[in-house]
Amino acid sequence: DQQVKQNSPSLSVQEGRISILNCDYTNSMFDYFLWYKKYPAEGPTFLISISSIKDKNEDGRFTVFLNKSAKHLSLHIVPSQPGDSAVYFCAASATDYKLSFGAGTTVTVRA
Amino acid sequence: KAGVTQTPRYLIKTRGQQVTLSCSPISGHRSVSWYQQTPGQGLQFLFEYFSETQRNKGNFPGRFSGRQFSNSRSEMNVSTLELGDSALYLCASSLNRLNTEAFFGQGTRLTVV
Repeated sequence: DQQVKQNSPSLSVQEGRISILNCDYTNSMFDYFLWYKKYPAEGPTFLISISSIKDKNEDGRFTVFLNKSAKHLSLHIVPSQPGDSAVYFCAASATDYKLSFGAGTTVTVRA
Repeated sequence: KAGVTQTPRYLIKTRGQQVTLSCSPISGHRSVSWYQQTPGQGLQFLFEYFSETQRNKGNFPGRFSGRQFSNSRSEMNVSTLELGDSALYLCASSLNRLNTEAFFGQGTRLTVV
């Protein structure tokens, strides 16, 4: 049972524009959410996270928004750069300390 | 400081064989988790070890097992390999049991033929 869903398998965006990645979850016990970025042949790299007590967290070009009532979070990347081309995973954890991941969204930034 | 190290990077095994994968966490990290990544499935949680004890287990058959040593290094074992076990196996370490920021290794690519 996939508790974290990324319904868009791919996203293509022009360099300099905004990339918006979406993630939905079903488990209301999730209290911490993370985004990871993954290049081929490498392990996922932590990008940004947000606790359920917040609705927004910013770190440079990356902003994560959390809508608890809708069980939805999104990652905004502004401006998008060629190096942002990668697979992005949304993940969530509850008090059981294990991360539940979405299937990933492949982002391609066009020059 | 050194990151999470997984060995070997690549492995080819035959159906029915068994395999052991190794993970050395970041120095000082006590929690090690294992994940399986297959195309289209994202990362599936296998198990978590903390202080040499398995604290959590994902929905995988008993053929998948692991352990953690006193230096926090962890091994994962898969017995009676099946073709469907072909995947990228990722290890993540974190300072404690809070997965607020887990650091991943590069993974071991296992191919079962």
